[in-house]
This record gives sequence, C-alpha cells and structure tokens, in this order.
Amino acid sequence: QVQLVQSGAEVKKTGASVKVSCKTSGYTFTNFGIHWVRQAPGQGLEWMGWIRGYNGNTHYAPSLQGRVIMTTDTSTSTAYMELGSLRSDDTAVYYCARDRSGDVDWADPWGEGTMVTVSS
Amino acid sequence: EIVLTQSPATLSLSPGERATLSCRASQSVSSSLAWYQQKPGQAPRLLIFDASKRATGIPARFSGSGSGTDFTLTISSLEPEDSAFYHCQQRNSWPLLTFGGGTKVEIK
Repeated sequence: QVQLVQSGAEVKKTGASVKVSCKTSGYTFTNFGIHWVRQAPGQGLEWMGWIRGYNGNTHYAPSLQGRVIMTTDTSTSTAYMELGSLRSDDTAVYYCARDRSGDVDWADPWGEGTMVTVSS
Repeated sequence: EIVLTQSPATLSLSPGERATLSCRASQSVSSSLAWYQQKPGQAPRLLIFDASKRATGIPARFSGSGSGTDFTLTISSLEPEDSAFYHCQQRNSWPLLTFGGGTKVEIK
C-alpha cells in the first residue's frame, strides 16, 4: 500500500534551517507530485507548496517564497522540504502528502507529520 | 488569494443526528473544492474531492455539494468516530491552494 514516512521531530534556533524528509513507497514515485502542508499549534492547515515527482518542478506559496526549497531524490523515492531563516511562528507540524491521482491533484494520502519547534 | 470561510466554528450534536458544515469562497472556485477530516494527533484524510465525489473508503454517510462559492459537507447520521476537525480546500487558483479555518464537530 502507499506509504509516506516522515523524518523525526526537530528543534531549531531562530534563524536556522530545517530539512524534513518524506520517504514514499508502494507506488511509482515519478508518476505523482507531493504537497507540503503545515499546521501551527491549535491552528488550521496552510498549504506550503508542491513538487512534481518526475522532474522536480515546484510551486511555492507566496508567503514562503525565498525561504522554502522542495526537492526530490528519485533514486530513493524521497521528497524533501527545507525551510530557512526560521522564526518562532514556523513552529508547526509539517506534513507531506501525495497527489491523489497522477499529476496536480488533491492531497491523499498523507504522511504522519513532523513536529518542528523553533525557539530562541 | 481565495479565502475560504468555514462555519460554524464548532458543531455539537448527538449520535444519529445530521451535521451540516459550510465552506464559503471569496470568489468562485467552480467545483474545485475538497473536504478533509482530521482527528486529534492524526494527519488529515481526504473525504470529498471535486465538491461531491467521495474518496476511496469513505462511508456513504459523508456527502458534499455545492459549486461556485457555497459548499456543504453533510454527515447524514453522526457516529461517535466522526468527532474531528473538518477542513475545506480549494485548488481553482492553482498553483496557489488555500484551506479554510476548519470546523470542529463534537459528539455529545
């Protein structure tokens, strides 16, 4: 079955960077895109961006442009999200999710989430 | 940016009752709207996509309707396991996707 397994929790200092991984299995990685979504404590969901599996094309939310970089490693079927210049309001659970069907689709299924805590 | 407004913020109902959740868009999103269910401590799960299509494995008591700016998620007969947050999302403005603020459904 399709699985997305994310890296473990991170604690970072303000101004640092964090890189979260999302290792996938159970499907052909290059046939689907990956979304990244985050959720601050007690808050709603925020779409961060998307990366195409087969060529690494990306689209980022304007609010994160310049701070976020999404990449893939097709040899290991793994997607990565790196967020730089971390601030306290970047404290959140970060989720990866696959396109439901093919390219550019709804997010389904999702990884379990990675907690990132940013403190000074 | 298309803003999605969900109401009510919290819905408290008894098992067997009908739940009606609303999602209103600041401009038309056609039928490009989805609903996700999120239980505490868990990742979201896709329930409904393209406004009215049930995702794989979703029980028939969940249904979606609407188009343009007004959408509804209906749970026809609440079960205790339906206690969760429900989020709507639009993708009509791809490549900028947005979520609503969420509705919490509590089972009395």
